[in-house]
Amino acid sequence: DGGITQSPKYLFRKEGQNVTLSCEQNLNHDAMYWYRQDPGQGLRLIYYSQIVNDFQKGDIAEGYSVSREKKESFPLTVTSAQKNPTAFYLCASSPLSGGYNEQFFGPGTRLTVL
Amino acid sequence: GQQLNQSPQSMFIQEGEDVSMNCTSSSIFNTWLWYKQEPGEGPVLLIALYKAGELTSNGRLTAQFGITRKDSFLNISASIPSDVGIYFCAGQLETSGSRLTFGEGTQLTVNP
Repeated sequence: DGGITQSPKYLFRKEGQNVTLSCEQNLNHDAMYWYRQDPGQGLRLIYYSQIVNDFQKGDIAEGYSVSREKKESFPLTVTSAQKNPTAFYLCASSPLSGGYNEQFFGPGTRLTVL
Repeated sequence: GQQLNQSPQSMFIQEGEDVSMNCTSSSIFNTWLWYKQEPGEGPVLLIALYKAGELTSNGRLTAQFGITRKDSFLNISASIPSDVGIYFCAGQLETSGSRLTFGEGTQLTVNP
């Protein structure tokens, strides 16, 4: 089946540890995105990438890092520099051709930092 | 920062009622998208709009791209309990490339 997978669904880490969230897509989409969602709030963009080996900061990039070594994969690392990392993290992808910008989301990873 | 105003913030309705929610902005958008999110899940795309004035339906859902390109609304007719969730609007600004700007969501509760 085509889609976006995120793993794990739930993640617990101790304060001060870096943690990497996985995002994989087999939709052959060019662009991939990471969002953060806090309770009762909308989605805030962390990083996005439109092409392999290139990515741009979103609105809340501080304390996060990404890589895009393969078209299918866009892992997000939450570093110890992120002051409030507990949140629901969503990965999305979209095609860039044809003028359509429909973003499709994965199931999310809920990160809890203890 | 946030550039989309989505309202209402929450709605409590009876099964069978119609629902209307909207998003407005002072900026011009090329694209409007409407998503539904259920608890603990990722948002699911409901409707995509690409032209000013466009009216598109998906079952009991109808959405419109405002003529001024600064607003959009979503209507749900004859609501049912499984319509419960958070509905988000998202827009693509003329100057933002592939980035989307999201509204803060409308929490819909349907009482049987």
